[in-house]
Amino acid sequence: QVHLVQSGAEVKRSGASVKVSCKASGYIFTDYYIHWVRQAPGQGLEWIGIINPGGTPTSYAYQFQDRVTLTKDTSTNTVYMEVRSLRSEDTAIYYCARERAGDYYFDFWGQGTLVTVSS
Amino acid sequence: QSVLTQPPSVSGTPGQRVTISCSGSGSNIGGNYVNWYQQLPGVAPKLLIYRSNQQYSGVPDRFSGSKSGTSASLAISGLRSEDEASYSCAAWDDSLHAYVFGAGTKVTVL
Repeated sequence: QVHLVQSGAEVKRSGASVKVSCKASGYIFTDYYIHWVRQAPGQGLEWIGIINPGGTPTSYAYQFQDRVTLTKDTSTNTVYMEVRSLRSEDTAIYYCARERAGDYYFDFWGQGTLVTVSS
Repeated sequence: QSVLTQPPSVSGTPGQRVTISCSGSGSNIGGNYVNWYQQLPGVAPKLLIYRSNQQYSGVPDRFSGSKSGTSASLAISGLRSEDEASYSCAAWDDSLHAYVFGAGTKVTVL
């Protein structure tokens, strides 16, 4: 049974950093890319970036490439997303989602992590 | 501002057929598959339709997708109360090198 379990809610001050984890189980970790997507309150979904647990690529949406870093730990089947220099507009639910390599769709999503940025 | 354009809302009565449009450009919908996600209030999105017209496992056949040129649509036939949700289209964009979404369409069952 596939699971993507994300870390818990975070409250951060403006300018701080946050690191969210996404632990995968129930499938071969290196066979699927992991994407990160966020949803601000009342807004649509916004793609942040992709990491390939099996190697390259790691890629970011243009608007995030200076502030976001995606990493992986294949020993624990976990991927991480770090967002630096947080601002109030980063308040959102952050989701991880998996893509079988090359399919270009997300067949399973994590439960989401609420990140609240206060000034 | 979302790259893909969807109507903010559509509504229908139980049993009715509703359609949700999704408009893009040659670099996204025009050259790539479209996927549709359903999001019930307070929970993560779920895959409904992939590769423009393929129903994901377990999705009722009341849901169908199509694509023509730079537009796509999702149809829900035999509308049911449990279909009240937000529906988002998505596609890879070759120019932006990014996965792009529509802003979502809220379906209301009257």
